[in-house]
Amino acid sequence: DGGITQSPKYLFRKEGQNVTLSCEQNLNHDAMYWYRQDPGQGLRLIYYSQIVNDFQKGDIAEGYSVSREKKESFPLTVTSAQKNPTAFYLCASSGGRGETQYFGPGTRLLVL
Amino acid sequence: EDQVTQSPEALRLQEGESSSLNCSYTVSGLRGLFWYRQDPGKGPEFLFTLYSAGEEKEKERLKATLTKKESFLHITAPKPEDSATYLCAVRRDDKIIFGKGTRLHILP
Repeated sequence: DGGITQSPKYLFRKEGQNVTLSCEQNLNHDAMYWYRQDPGQGLRLIYYSQIVNDFQKGDIAEGYSVSREKKESFPLTVTSAQKNPTAFYLCASSGGRGETQYFGPGTRLLVL
Repeated sequence: EDQVTQSPEALRLQEGESSSLNCSYTVSGLRGLFWYRQDPGKGPEFLFTLYSAGEEKEKERLKATLTKKESFLHITAPKPEDSATYLCAVRRDDKIIFGKGTRLHILP
């Protein structure tokens, strides 16, 4: 089955710790995205990538970093510089930038 | 400023009571409007893409329509399993802008 997987489902971060969220897709999509979802707010774009080895900042990139070494994978690192990391993180992919996006199941990040 | 506004924020209906959700936008040069369904604790599930005013798409009890300024998601004779948050998003150039969603609760 084609789709997008995210892991882990839940992630706990300690103060000062960097954590990495995994996102893998087997849809052969070129574009991949990371969003943050907070209660009562719309999805906010963190980073996106249109091709391998290239990525751009979204609206709220501060405190986050990404890499795109393979077409199928787009991991997100939440660094210690992100002071309010508790949120639901969603990864998505599309055939191209601006086309219909398909989402993974999400990772909920909590701070200890 | 480009904006996507969904209304109402929340809606409670009795099973079988038809209604509509609204998505209004102030985006020039619309290149697509998307509807998603999101269950609690899960990722959004794609429902429809609409491209031009007058276009309609249907899936089971859902029908999405599009005008030049807004889109409606009509729900006919809903069932409790239709309870979810429904998200609208619009495309301007290569940017996708999401609304905050409408929380729909269908009472049995």
